[in-house]
Amino acid sequence: DAGVIQSPRHEVTEMGQEVTLRCKPISGHNSLFWYRQTMMRGLELLIYFNNNVPIDDSGMPEDRFSAKMPNASFSTLKIQPSEPRDSAVYFCASSEQGLRSPGNTIYFGEGSWLTVV
Amino acid sequence: EDQVTQSPEALRLQEGESSSLNCSYTVSGLRGLFWYRQDPGKGPEFLFTLYSAGEEKEKERLKATLTKKESFLHITAPKPEDSATYLCAVHPRTKYNTDKLIFGTGTRLQVFP
Repeated sequence: DAGVIQSPRHEVTEMGQEVTLRCKPISGHNSLFWYRQTMMRGLELLIYFNNNVPIDDSGMPEDRFSAKMPNASFSTLKIQPSEPRDSAVYFCASSEQGLRSPGNTIYFGEGSWLTVV
Repeated sequence: EDQVTQSPEALRLQEGESSSLNCSYTVSGLRGLFWYRQDPGKGPEFLFTLYSAGEEKEKERLKATLTKKESFLHITAPKPEDSATYLCAVHPRTKYNTDKLIFGTGTRLQVFP
């Protein structure tokens, strides 16, 4: 099992540039989550999808952030334009049927470390 | 507002020195409480899920317990390889059955030989 695969692992970009983060969930998982981790706020849910459909995007900080899931094996998180305060680690996670069934959990990727200068 | 508070923020232990990490939560209803381990530069790794007060789960030197207001992660005779940040998260019971986890900011554990 390859786990959740994220790319790039590290990204340094200049303020104002577009950033695209990519995620491949675990095969067979139909729930996908994007989290952001900072020292100050810890892990925060940005958006999640069930069966490729966005269910809760209330954590997306502003219109500069957008996420898509065109098929069951791929998702993107885009920031346009990027700002220094977007610097953080962005984690993608996936789950089989979300958390609705006892015993289910979410599995995280290794993260994408974003620095906006 | 649903909230998760972990304490202490950081903990230094000598190898073999047992201790406990605390996770206090405030939610309107709890569907589950999750513990994760996170190593530097890595994503969180699932440890346990607890669903009801009184429930306990064990894995090697770790034991998690749950009450109606908090959870403890007990570490017995820790080893240096147990050094990591331990994250607690709650899955609140909501009107819309969300799959959202609310995380605490973690306890950074260092175990010295």
